[in-house]
Amino acid sequence: KNEVEQSPQNLTAQEGEFITINCSYSVGISALHWLQQHPGGGIVSLFMLSSGKKKHGRLIATINIQEKHSSLHITASHPRDSAVYICAVSMDSNYQLIWGAGTKLIIKP
Amino acid sequence: NAGVMQNPRHLVRRRGQEARLRCSPMKGHSHVYWYRQLPEEGLKFMVYLQKENIIDESGMPKERFSAEFPKEGPSILRIQQVVRGDSAAYFCASSDLGTGNQPQHFGDGTRLSIL
Repeated sequence: KNEVEQSPQNLTAQEGEFITINCSYSVGISALHWLQQHPGGGIVSLFMLSSGKKKHGRLIATINIQEKHSSLHITASHPRDSAVYICAVSMDSNYQLIWGAGTKLIIKP
Repeated sequence: NAGVMQNPRHLVRRRGQEARLRCSPMKGHSHVYWYRQLPEEGLKFMVYLQKENIIDESGMPKERFSAEFPKEGPSILRIQQVVRGDSAAYFCASSDLGTGNQPQHFGDGTRLSIL
């Protein structure tokens, strides 16, 4: 079993829909990261959080430390949100990130 | 643009040649991480360096691969005698501290293709 599990693996939705991507982990962590990777493009760090909730524009990330679960939400989704969304965790002061497999999101116009 | 700069963006090599990938971290960052992403797979950690030191190379193949981060200049990931299986995207990230609760800033990657 992977230490970081993401669901769903693939998600296709219509423009305007509310999107939720989930991440569960099985290790103790100091922080959880959400990143975005566009096809053929680089990787952008979206959020780093260790508790509660963060919001940036139409993106919201939440984490429940007790349940070892995080969600990434996209409100009013748009085709330009189409990308792979990756969850990664870091343990205590260890620099190494443990990566999820990613969720491929396609938003249709 | 003061972000992480990687070059080249695309690199084509024939089997047996050497590949050199460069990464200039964000200004002020002294911690560099290299990751490899095979086609249709997630990122895998390769090596973590601070200036002039390799801190952790546990994810890097023992043979043909080496990395450095000199006092002056970019970090270099070097692959000798490349093989088809080395075809991948190689990403570099940097941070200002070497702890997991610091964001890592990523470059756009180098896509390496082996003919």
